[in-house]
Amino acid sequence: DAKTTQPPSMDCAEGRAANLPCNHSTISGNEYVYWYRQIHSQGPQYIIHGLKNNETNEMASLIITEDRKSSTLILPHATLRDTAVYYCIVRVDSDMRFGAGTRLTVKP
Amino acid sequence: EPEVTQTPSHQVTQMGQEVILRCVPISNHLYFYWYRQILGQKVEFLVSFYNNEISEKSEIFDDQFSVERPDGSNFTLKIRSTKLEDSAMYFCASSKSTGTGYEQYFGPGTRLTVT
Repeated sequence: DAKTTQPPSMDCAEGRAANLPCNHSTISGNEYVYWYRQIHSQGPQYIIHGLKNNETNEMASLIITEDRKSSTLILPHATLRDTAVYYCIVRVDSDMRFGAGTRLTVKP
Repeated sequence: EPEVTQTPSHQVTQMGQEVILRCVPISNHLYFYWYRQILGQKVEFLVSFYNNEISEKSEIFDDQFSVERPDGSNFTLKIRSTKLEDSAMYFCASSKSTGTGYEQYFGPGTRLTVT
């Protein structure tokens, strides 16, 4: 019962913005969109989440379309340390349901 | 910045042995979780815990598993009789609330190897 669709992999040049898309066409009105990332086998790292409005923090920006059927995570100036698997999660219950995510590779 | 910590970082055990994985959640958090990730696979939810009770559990969390908050700081996952297929990374997480608007913070994980 996948709620999100993400490309399996993306590349980005170091110093450029990384824009990671996520489709969640079946999202319900009270379901939040979360983004996490996982570097190697480390614990998932919380990045950002939002409901309707665009959000920004020190790590990233989250742009949610007006119909809420898709969103984009933006890393404004990607570094080599941003190479990781990025997970877009539509949160239905108390637990986080991780999919396969997008493997982002930042290249020099 | 407060962090979730987990010990040990790596545990090797023989099949059939009991293991206890330990976690110290962020101090003002009230909700606690265990997840696991078999090598090369997705992160999977095991159990959530609040007010000294299990709130939710997945079908993975069978009678071989148990959780406990033995004191005011630790949160443990016990596997009674380990199987080869229990080999995985186990992640503890915590959050201020269980509402879907509250983020969960994950620990670095314990790598469990069952031989």
